[in-house]
Amino acid sequence: DTGVSQDPRHKITKRGQNVTFRCDPISEHNRLYWYRQTLGQGPEFLTYFQNEAQLEKSRLLSDRFSAERPKGSFSTLEIQRTEQGDSAMYLCASSALAGASTDTQYFGPGTRLTVL
Amino acid sequence: AQSVAQPEDQVNVAEGNPLTVKCTYSVSGNPYLFWYVQYPNRGLQFLLKYITGDNLVKGSYGFEAEFNKSQTSFHLKKPSALVSDSALYFCAVRGHGQNFVFGPGTRLSVLP
Repeated sequence: DTGVSQDPRHKITKRGQNVTFRCDPISEHNRLYWYRQTLGQGPEFLTYFQNEAQLEKSRLLSDRFSAERPKGSFSTLEIQRTEQGDSAMYLCASSALAGASTDTQYFGPGTRLTVL
Repeated sequence: AQSVAQPEDQVNVAEGNPLTVKCTYSVSGNPYLFWYVQYPNRGLQFLLKYITGDNLVKGSYGFEAEFNKSQTSFHLKKPSALVSDSALYFCAVRGHGQNFVFGPGTRLSVLP
């Protein structure tokens, strides 16, 4: 399977704990996005990478959230001191930088986070 | 700031009938518009996009969408609905940069 993969698929944690999620994009895609989706809502943009550079970040993103893409391939999203309001599905997507498929995002299956 | 509205939470249509899922948007500059579909327990899948060119865009699974600049709309359509089209549909817009804004989604139910 050469699609976008995310790990873990489910994470249950206690309030105050730190969690880290991983995303492996489609190998030739330079662009990588993180979104958060809560029940009954559309995906909410969190951050965007072009290769290893984090070029955009939502103004709504708490300082407890940090993302990296150190080698321009996989990315991690870390949430520190989790709160119950962080419970959501975290989606990763990737897209090509050029060509006919530019701006077409391919989504992973998501990581469902439950904060108790 | 860009925004997307999907005025209908739910659309019901009989199998074989045409379907329309509505989307209106607000963005400064030229809009990049998208439709995605989400099936239960599966990730979002790209259906189609409008960047420039013809206002009628054709996409996957027989879907098409019409870009209307004066009405700031990008409605999703299909001439003949299938039961398997039942899913959650999201409209999205990209304005400046790579900040994509998604609508709240419309649940489509196609009744046999």
